[in-house]
Amino acid sequence: EAGVAQSPRYKIIEKRQSVAFWCNPISGHATLYWYQQILGQGPKLLIQFQNNGVVDDSQLPKDRFSAERLKGVDSTLKIQPAKLEDSAVYLCASSPLASGGPIQYFGAGTRLSVL
Amino acid sequence: AQKVTQAQTEISVVEKEDVTLDCVYETRDTTYYLFWYKQPPSGELVFLIRRNSFDEQNEISGRYSWNFQKSTSSFNFTITASQVVDSAVYFCALSGSRENTGGFKTIFGAGTRLFVKA
Repeated sequence: EAGVAQSPRYKIIEKRQSVAFWCNPISGHATLYWYQQILGQGPKLLIQFQNNGVVDDSQLPKDRFSAERLKGVDSTLKIQPAKLEDSAVYLCASSPLASGGPIQYFGAGTRLSVL
Repeated sequence: AQKVTQAQTEISVVEKEDVTLDCVYETRDTTYYLFWYKQPPSGELVFLIRRNSFDEQNEISGRYSWNFQKSTSSFNFTITASQVVDSAVYFCALSGSRENTGGFKTIFGAGTRLFVKA
């Protein structure tokens, strides 16, 4: 079974530029998550989709971050314009639909450096 | 509010030593789930274990064991006879009820970086 795919693996941009990350979850997984992991910290949820609907985007900085999951499969996360503090690893995860706390399967992440 | 605390930032051991990673959580929920994930240098978090709040049985899987104690709100993880390949960052996570919109939300601790030296 293929895992969660993310691209690119690394991205370096200058502040005020825009950047987009792509995620393809495990086939059949209804729920997709985007996390931000700052160096030395645990992952912080940015947005959670169930199929193509947003379940939780309470910690997404909506003035600069946006995400979509068209057709309920793959997803893109965009930052525009980027700030220095956006330097982090962006992790995508997916899980099957579950009534309780689901096991999440993670991709390798995209490491973003904003100069 | 829900919270996960991993007080140990880094631990360094010599191969074959036993090591325990601590996790303390806070929640008002009666139904919740606890997890441990491993993050090797490659970057992706790998699921290790999930326990629900009604199951306090300790679990052993090979060299790994977990001790869940509701009385102290702790879910500690022990690696017996550590190996160099165990070197990674380990995250404890709590999945509890989501305010306002329902369902479950997972929060992660800050992680404990484990170095196992040969």
